[in-house]
Amino acid sequence: DAKTTQPNSMESNEEEPVHLPCNHSTISGTDYIHWYRQLPSQGPEYVIHGLTSNVNNRMASLAIAEDRKSSTLILHRATLRDAAVYYCTPGAGGTSYGKLTFGQGTILTVHP
Amino acid sequence: SQTIHQWPATLVQPVGSPLSLECTVEGTSNPNLYWYRQAAGRGLQLLFYSVGIGQISSEVPQNLSASRPQDRQFILSSKKLLLSDSGFYLCAWSPRPNQPQHFGDGTRLSIL
Repeated sequence: DAKTTQPNSMESNEEEPVHLPCNHSTISGTDYIHWYRQLPSQGPEYVIHGLTSNVNNRMASLAIAEDRKSSTLILHRATLRDAAVYYCTPGAGGTSYGKLTFGQGTILTVHP
Repeated sequence: SQTIHQWPATLVQPVGSPLSLECTVEGTSNPNLYWYRQAAGRGLQLLFYSVGIGQISSEVPQNLSASRPQDRQFILSSKKLLLSDSGFYLCAWSPRPNQPQHFGDGTRLSIL
């Protein structure tokens, strides 16, 4: 399985942009990069995913390095509701079932 | 729209007792279904996945089993629970492998 490295924690102020980095140097060529977030005692929530190109959706943007060994989740204007644990995970594109393997994730604290 | 239901939300069971956790998905057909466990302070571990009725694959050897008696129903079971089975159990679905997975709210299982 591809391994990921994320900072343990990050802090931001409300209304400011947040850049959450992830290293996935062992990712395979067919693995998508998925980002999820999780609030305490809740199931993870899908945020965004991509393969090679940068991606945007209503929640966030995903910037993927050209060599695909790292990516950055961008929250353009953090709100208090964005405070959560953020996980990046390579989806197992080479398998038939799409296994996700979360690591420890990044705890994002948003200050009012 | 698609929804996933998982119950119960919390469960306290004695060692050696049986277990049955149920997960159902609405609004889609032939989903890929997954059971994960999230131990306290640790990442997500895939336990079982299913690509169709009656098709179950196990990721790790353990005291648990899974079944898929209907297209949108996924059940996690155990005949005799161990202390090590404590954790946060999450059910998820996706339309296809490598597509985003959508999680239920989880079951917090405590073994006494």
